[in-house]
Amino acid sequence: EVQLVQSGAEVKKPGESLKISCKGSGYSFTNYWIGWVRQMPGKGLEWMGIIYPGDSDTRYSPSFPGQVTISADKSISTAYLQWSSLKASDTAMYYCARFKGGNSGDCSFDYWGQGTLVTVSS
Amino acid sequence: DIVMTQTPLSSPVTLGQPASISCRSSQSLVHSNGNTYLSWLQQRPGQPPRLLIYKISNRFSGVPDRFSGSGAGTDFTLKISRVEAEDVGVYYCMQATQFPYTFGQGTKLEIK
Repeated sequence: EVQLVQSGAEVKKPGESLKISCKGSGYSFTNYWIGWVRQMPGKGLEWMGIIYPGDSDTRYSPSFPGQVTISADKSISTAYLQWSSLKASDTAMYYCARFKGGNSGDCSFDYWGQGTLVTVSS
Repeated sequence: DIVMTQTPLSSPVTLGQPASISCRSSQSLVHSNGNTYLSWLQQRPGQPPRLLIYKISNRFSGVPDRFSGSGAGTDFTLKISRVEAEDVGVYYCMQATQFPYTFGQGTKLEIK
């Protein structure tokens, strides 16, 4: 069974750093991209970026310039999303999702993590 | 960036009746490889999104056949043949033809 399990909710202060995780299981982690999606309170879905754990090829949305870093450790089938200095406006639910890209892929987010709620407040 | 525009933003529907959601892209979603990477997702209240349809019209595993997708180029439609109570939630279209991938703003389906 394909599963993406995300780390737990976080409460942080502005200026603090944070790294959240997404662990994949039930499939070959290095053969699928992992994407990150933000959902601010009461709002829609925003695509943040995507990483291919096989070679760490990473693409970012220009809507998040330099604000976040996406990484992956294929040895433990885990992808990460990190901030060096959080702002109150980073308060949101963050989802990871699996993506099969390339000409032979369906190019859709087929499995999703349960979400990690990040609250940034002084 | 490709802008995805959904209509309507809210859709009150009677149980057992059909529902339809439109998604229009600001440019063609036909990839250079000939595929069109338009998908539809459902987000029930308090839950993560769930894939319903990929590549315009392919139902994902476990998705009831009352859900169907159609369209081409820049105009796409998600149809629910007979709405059930469990269909309440927000529906999003998403394009993965060109970086950055983008979502529509969402359509809230509610029961009258």
